[in-house]
Amino acid sequence: QSALTQPASVSGSPGQSITISCTGTSSDVGIYNLVSWYQQHPGKAPKLIIYEVSKRPSGVSNRFSGSKSGNTASLTISGLQAEDEADYYCYSYAGSSTFMVFGGGTTLTVL
Amino acid sequence: QLQLQESGPGLVKPSETLSLTCTVSGGSISSNSYYWGWIRQPPGKGLEWIGSIYYSGNTYYNPSLKSRVIISVDTSKNQFSLNLSSVTAADTAVYYCARTLWGGDPGSFDVWGQGTMLTVSS
Repeated sequence: QSALTQPASVSGSPGQSITISCTGTSSDVGIYNLVSWYQQHPGKAPKLIIYEVSKRPSGVSNRFSGSKSGNTASLTISGLQAEDEADYYCYSYAGSSTFMVFGGGTTLTVL
Repeated sequence: QLQLQESGPGLVKPSETLSLTCTVSGGSISSNSYYWGWIRQPPGKGLEWIGSIYYSGNTYYNPSLKSRVIISVDTSKNQFSLNLSSVTAADTAVYYCARTLWGGDPGSFDVWGQGTMLTVSS
């Protein structure tokens, strides 16, 4: 059982927007603005697409955006494209004892 | 451009110790304000953080694995390593090494190795 809860799957049509949630607790997502999102295509290493809740690394499309409210972080992908079909994982810093936790992952299907 | 490359045995017997090495090229493992981490992914499952080492040498481990994990750095070889003892079939996974963005968020892994499959079987 993962420390952060994500929906197992989401889907959308090309051009639409989708949002993936990542629910933690007041000991991780709720207290730290250190949430990242990763995209992983089959057989590939994960790719960092959002860090510190809403920042995008250089080279990442601005179609990807992140936000947080309370104990839940969210990843929004706008203007869905076929290449966005992948697994998405969230991460949160969780303090000096636990240190870091991942979500269980969400499979995005582009219809 | 920084590149990471994992290396390891591929197959380990139950109860033995798994040893993996991550070789860093295109940059120095001693550069300040970076975390260097190990993350694994069992077949068909999600990501699990194993542990990280900070440029200062401080180590941080997943509490569920802490009793079996040691992460160390060899600056002379520009490598860092993972030792996981008393392995079982549950440790079968793709193991990734990775480095964070500069500046302190320990989970912002922006450079990853390609991953190496490790199977635990007799």
